[in-house]
Parts: sequence; structure tokens; C-alpha cells
Amino acid sequence: AQKVTQAQTEISVVEKEDVTLDCVYETRDTTYYLFWYKQPPSGELVFLIRRNSFDEQNEISGRYSWNFQKSTSSFNFTITASQVVDSAVYFCALSENNAGNMLTFGGGTRLMVKP
Amino acid sequence: DAGVIQSPRHEVTEMGQEVTLRCKPISGHNSLFWYRQTMMRGLELLIYFNNNVPIDDSGMPEDRFSAKMPNASFSTLKIQPSEPRDSAVYFCASSPGTGESYEQYFGPGTRLTVT
Repeated sequence: AQKVTQAQTEISVVEKEDVTLDCVYETRDTTYYLFWYKQPPSGELVFLIRRNSFDEQNEISGRYSWNFQKSTSSFNFTITASQVVDSAVYFCALSENNAGNMLTFGGGTRLMVKP
Repeated sequence: DAGVIQSPRHEVTEMGQEVTLRCKPISGHNSLFWYRQTMMRGLELLIYFNNNVPIDDSGMPEDRFSAKMPNASFSTLKIQPSEPRDSAVYFCASSPGTGESYEQYFGPGTRLTVT
């Protein structure tokens, strides 16, 4: 069975600090997909990134970067020079190839960026 | 382009009443998902449709819950009779393609309160 663990339930940083959100997953499939979503205070879920299990290259998008390591079953998310607008709940999710598009979400990490 | 549309955005009802939540997926998307979000249980997948056909409804909590997708542009989630423990935010999401796990795009959610 697939499982996603986000051990950090809440993180508080001061603006301009870097912050890393951890995500550890469990799956028996060799082909799977990992996702990050952002849920700002307004409540909607915003897609950030999708990564398949065969692509371990790290990705950078502006202040956001993702580190995928199959050896440790982790897909961590780093925000560089955090801003108040980054305050949100961030969810990591996993989809196994034989499960169609079904996502299993982690419990989420609430990030609070203080001015 | 319009995203996933959900209605109503807020619903307050009394225990025992029937509740119908509505969703219009992004045009051209083949898959549709209903999720429920609560503080206690996080984000849970309730049911998943592919090409209007229910694929997996193992997440539907009880017989009081039912979902339909009569065509590619409309789906409903019905609760009858509603109970206070059904209070949650219900999200609809849609995804393009099949055979590979594509990202899901979420609607704004319906906040349901059952008193």
C-alpha cells in the first residue's frame, strides 16, 4: 500500500529565510509519480510540481526547488528567501502507476512566514 | 481558461437533509475525482471517474454517499441523509489523459456544514 509522510506538521520562519519541507513516501511500485500542492489560506489547492520515478534530477523553479532521492524515498521541497505570501499548507502526494490517477496525500505541512 | 467549477461554495444544512454538490471539470479532461478534507483525516479520495465511469469508490464512507457523472462536463456528489460528521470541505478535481498519472487540478471546494 502506498503512504506519504510529512513529519513536520508546522514550520515557522522569518521572511527571507530558506525552508525545507520534508516528504517521505512508501510504495511497492517501480513506476510512480510524486506531486506537491500548495493550499493558501483561501483554501484552494494549487498544483506545484509532478515528478516520475525515473527522473531523479532536481528541479528549480524560481525560489522553489525539489530534491528527489529514491535511495531514501524522499521528495523534499525547498523555498529560498521565503516570503509572507508563501504562508500556506503544503501537501506532498504519491500516485502509483497501477492505481490510475489516484493520489495519496500526506498530512500536510503548515508553513508560516513572518515579516 | 476556466478551471474546475464547484457549486455551491458554501452549504449549511440540517441533519437529515439531502445535500447535492456539483462539479464541472476542465473541458477535455478525462478523469474526475471527489475528495473530502477534514482536520482529523486530512485529504481523502472518495471516488474517481475515468471517461464518466466510476473506477474506484472504495473511499466513499457509507451508503449515504453517492456520486454520478452523467456526462463529461458534470458530476454530482450526494449525501442523503446528511449527518454532522459529514461537515468538511469537499473538493472536485480533474485530470487530463489516462494511462499515466497526470497532475490533478482542483476546484475551489464546497464547505459543507451540517448542524
